Amino acid sequence: QKEVEQNSGPLSVPEGAIASLNCTYSDRGSQSFFWYRQYSGKSPELIMSIYSNGDKEDGRFTAQLNKASQYVSLLIRDSQPSDSATYLCAVNFGTGNQFYFGTGTSLTVIP
Amino acid sequence: EAEVAQSPRYKITEKSQAVAFWCDPISGHATLYWYRQILGQGPELLVQFQDESVVDDSQLPKDRFSAERLKGVDSTLKIQPAELGDSAMYLCASSLSWDEQFFGPGTRLTVL
Repeated sequence: QKEVEQNSGPLSVPEGAIASLNCTYSDRGSQSFFWYRQYSGKSPELIMSIYSNGDKEDGRFTAQLNKASQYVSLLIRDSQPSDSATYLCAVNFGTGNQFYFGTGTSLTVIP
Repeated sequence: EAEVAQSPRYKITEKSQAVAFWCDPISGHATLYWYRQILGQGPELLVQFQDESVVDDSQLPKDRFSAERLKGVDSTLKIQPAELGDSAMYLCASSLSWDEQFFGPGTRLTVL
């Protein structure tokens, strides 16, 4: 059974703080990992992808991957009110080019 | 910038009626996905196409849902008859390979 789990939140952080979002997955053979941001009523928007163990930074966003622990996280530095959204973790388990999504973590950045 | 197109953006229908959604993927993307997203949940895969062939439709309720991608480009998802529980966002996405998929704006379906 392929599963992707996220802490559903809601997560609230003050403006300027670091927001930490976590995701675990069930299959050690997973190849690629993605973070999507979804504003209310909108479709998911890809913000980060990561394929190798370690950190990947893109602006205020850092994705961290630990395949041994089957764990991927997203850090948002200097959080802004515009970061308030639901963040979806997605995993490509490597079979048939299929993506599995977690239920999402709701983030609110308080001005 | 290339985008996935979907129509309609919103659809309100009565139960037992038929509805259809259309998706045009990013040019050159061979893989096309239809997802259903219920409020507060993550997207759930309904059907995946590789070119014109169905790769996975194991979660598609085949008694009422159908999907096609006849020429391997655009795709149609149909529900007949619609039920109250079908109210959700229907998302289309496309990808070039195992790497990254991109979503269209979605169709918000309300069944009354």
